[in-house]
Amino acid sequence: QKEVEQDPGPLSVPEGAIVSLNCTYSNSAFQYFMWYRQYSRKGPELLMYTYSSGNKEDGRFTAQVDKSSKYISLFIRDSQPSDSATYLCAMSAGGGSEKLVFGKGTKLTVNP
Amino acid sequence: NAGVTQTPKFRVLKTGQSMTLLCAQDMNHEYMYWYRQDPGMGLRLIHYSVGEGTTAKGEVPDGYNVSRLKKQNFLLGLESAAPSQTSVYFCASSPRGLGSGNTIYFGEGSWLTVV
Repeated sequence: QKEVEQDPGPLSVPEGAIVSLNCTYSNSAFQYFMWYRQYSRKGPELLMYTYSSGNKEDGRFTAQVDKSSKYISLFIRDSQPSDSATYLCAMSAGGGSEKLVFGKGTKLTVNP
Repeated sequence: NAGVTQTPKFRVLKTGQSMTLLCAQDMNHEYMYWYRQDPGMGLRLIHYSVGEGTTAKGEVPDGYNVSRLKKQNFLLGLESAAPSQTSVYFCASSPRGLGSGNTIYFGEGSWLTVV
């Protein structure tokens, strides 16, 4: 079983839709959860960073972590064409480990 | 606000040639990382550094060497390039490392093709 699983998509939605992106993981030691956005031919850009279980909201973006289910989500409200990108989940255990495990990314297209 | 800067952005090498990728960060971060990104493989850690003068192996270190002579710079070297090293390389930095619960910030990438 892979440590982190992420549906690669592609996912295509109309402008204004609510987008849900998800990752599952198998390592119960993971405590820190991140979402990165990567535009074509650019570096990953940190969107959301959460610790342990719970929700975090930042503008149109909401990150949810359910450690009991080993499941994390990123919701995008009122999606815009500028949100078209690949979204990567990533997670780490902390505790002195420099290992950061990435999902393979979900490619999202928001159509005007 | 340069953040993490990588040079060169694009490079084509012949098999067996050597080259160095330079990463510079202006955020006074202690930790720096080199990743490679390949289709279907995701991002994988090559080497990292926990401070000036230190280096450590990551997940896929073979064929690469690194040096961190100055806190702000992290160099990735390919001594004898192979076609399998064709990839996009990303440098990243972190204030005090993932192990301390910090996150990492990426550069814009360097596209390397080995023919």
